[in-house]
Amino acid sequence: GQNIDQPTEMTATEGAIVQINCTYQTSGFNGLFWYQQHAGEAPTFLSYNVLDGLEEKGRFSSFLSRSKGYSYLLLKELQMKDSASYLCVSDSNYQLIWGAGTKLIIKP
Amino acid sequence: DTEVTQTPKHLVMGMTNKKSLKCEQHMGHRAMYWYKQKAKKPPELMFVYSYEKLSINESVPSRFSPECPNSSLLNLHLHALQPEDSALYLCASSQVGRSDYEQYFGPGTRLTVT
Repeated sequence: GQNIDQPTEMTATEGAIVQINCTYQTSGFNGLFWYQQHAGEAPTFLSYNVLDGLEEKGRFSSFLSRSKGYSYLLLKELQMKDSASYLCVSDSNYQLIWGAGTKLIIKP
Repeated sequence: DTEVTQTPKHLVMGMTNKKSLKCEQHMGHRAMYWYKQKAKKPPELMFVYSYEKLSINESVPSRFSPECPNSSLLNLHLHALQPEDSALYLCASSQVGRSDYEQYFGPGTRLTVT
């Protein structure tokens, strides 16, 4: 079956670093997306990893290990506006399999 | 222009009404998508159009009828909906060919069925 697991909710402090983990078991795996979704808004693209390793994009970095079926999103220098849901999405057999999302709460 | 627009922003309809949701993009994308999203859940794919032809229908009830009149427009016609169909309906677009192309989402239409 197709399965994506990520924590339901995480809390972090403004200015700190947080890592959101995602594990997946999906067939025909091609790569992994991370999307950000603020409450009541549409998802927006953050990253796409197809090769193992870390990809850095400003304050956000995304890591993939294909052999372990594991990815994480790393957010540095957290800002209040980073409070949102973060969705791990597997690109599998040319379709997207969406995780349930991790709600990230940032506290001052 | 990297924007996907959707109208209306909010819609309240009765179970006997017929209404349509509209989506438009001018990025030259030839793949367009309809998703349904319930509160605190990820988006669920409903339909995919590729080159204006329906390529994926995720077993969606016939009370939802998609239409792609041209490469920039995507409609979702609604008829005889149920209260459980109340949700955020998201339109997205992307390049065609591989699923690793980033999908650009519109702001969504929040639908309430009474």
